[in-house]
Amino acid sequence: EVQLVESGGGLVQPGRSLRLSCAASGFTFDDFAMHWVRQTPGKGLEWVSGISWNSGNIGYADSVKGRFTISRDNAKNSLYLQMNSLRPEDTALYYCAKGALIVVGADFDYWGQGILVTVSS
Amino acid sequence: QLVVTQSPSASASLGASVKLTCTLSSGHSNYAIAWHQQQPKKGPRFLMKLHSDGSQRRGDGIPDRFSPSSSGAERYLTISSLQSEDEGDYYCQTWDTGIRVVFGGGTKLTVL
Repeated sequence: EVQLVESGGGLVQPGRSLRLSCAASGFTFDDFAMHWVRQTPGKGLEWVSGISWNSGNIGYADSVKGRFTISRDNAKNSLYLQMNSLRPEDTALYYCAKGALIVVGADFDYWGQGILVTVSS
Repeated sequence: QLVVTQSPSASASLGASVKLTCTLSSGHSNYAIAWHQQQPKKGPRFLMKLHSDGSQRRGDGIPDRFSPSSSGAERYLTISSLQSEDEGDYYCQTWDTGIRVVFGGGTKLTVL
């Protein structure tokens, strides 16, 4: 059974940093791209970032480019999102999602349950 | 620019059918899409991937009541024999061959 479990969320002040983690199990982690997607309360889904199987291709939404960094550790079956210079508008539920292929450009076939990040003073 | 457009809301009666639409932007009519369901207070769930030629791949355990189809730049999801648990938000997702992924704004489905 595929499982994606996010951690590392919480309350953080504007301008500060936070690192999210996603522990994956139930599939061969290094055979697939991985992604972060966020959802503001009551709003739709926004793709944040994606990373290919070997970290060779990485993409970011314009809203986070230059502030967020995605990475993965295939030996630990883990995905990360380093979020710097956080803004109130980054407040959202952050989901880890498994890509269906090794490349970033593909559909997602499994989702985590999400972790809440609140940016507020 | 790659954009997907969805109607904000849809409704149908219990036991009836409903057809949700996802429209790809000009120049992207041959793109594949994926449908995701989000029930109230839950995380999204992958329903299926749909290509422009109608070929598809379903998510685990997705019943045949969920049926995809395609015409030009439009991608459809028809849900038949509507059940109360079908109520929620439905998102269309697409991507390009590079490193960009795009979601539609979602359609809120109400089962009457």
